[in-house]
Amino acid sequence: LAKTTQPISMDSYEGQEVNITCSHNNIATNDYITWYQQFPSQGPRFIIQGYKTKVTNEVASLFIPADRKSSTLSLPRVSLSDTAVYYCLVGDRNTGGFKTIFGAGTRLFVKA
Amino acid sequence: GAGVSQTPSNKVTEKGKYVELRCDPISGHTALYWYRQSLGQGPEFLIYFQGTGAADDSGLPNDRFFAVRPEGSVSTLKIQRTERGDSAVYLCASSPTGSGANVLTFGAGSRLTVL
Repeated sequence: LAKTTQPISMDSYEGQEVNITCSHNNIATNDYITWYQQFPSQGPRFIIQGYKTKVTNEVASLFIPADRKSSTLSLPRVSLSDTAVYYCLVGDRNTGGFKTIFGAGTRLFVKA
Repeated sequence: GAGVSQTPSNKVTEKGKYVELRCDPISGHTALYWYRQSLGQGPEFLIYFQGTGAADDSGLPNDRFFAVRPEGSVSTLKIQRTERGDSAVYLCASSPTGSGANVLTFGAGSRLTVL
């Protein structure tokens, strides 16, 4: 399983764009990259998933370079409610289920 | 149901007691996962079911922990002879299949406190 490395914490201010980068140097050919968000007292919630290049949805964008050894979650114009822990995960799309490894995540704190 | 439901939301027990935690996944989801999350840490994988069978139970810490999913829907995580170190939030998630590209939907968790 590909291991991921993320910054432990980040601070930002309301209205700013936040970019969280995740390293996954040993990502395999069939691996997808998925990001989850977790608020206190809740389970993680899916944000975005991608395989290569760029993916965008109503919440975030995910940038994946050609070598796929890293990925960057971009949150446009964050608000106080974006304060949460963000997890980057890498998993094989072809096997019948995978042992999703979350790691410690990145704690984002958005200030007013 | 509309989401993943976990009961109880909170459980306080004494050391040495037996505990059951229940997970009701999204209807039709064949894959079901259990995780354990300690304060300040990310979720730690425990076990994964594909249908009724445990496809991967390598995350169960020891033989005091086991889980069942007899009809391929509801799952129960069972902890025998609880220890103080078992205190954590136990998260359940489900997905349409077990494919790695599938998205996991999590429940709110069951907070277990062992006194």
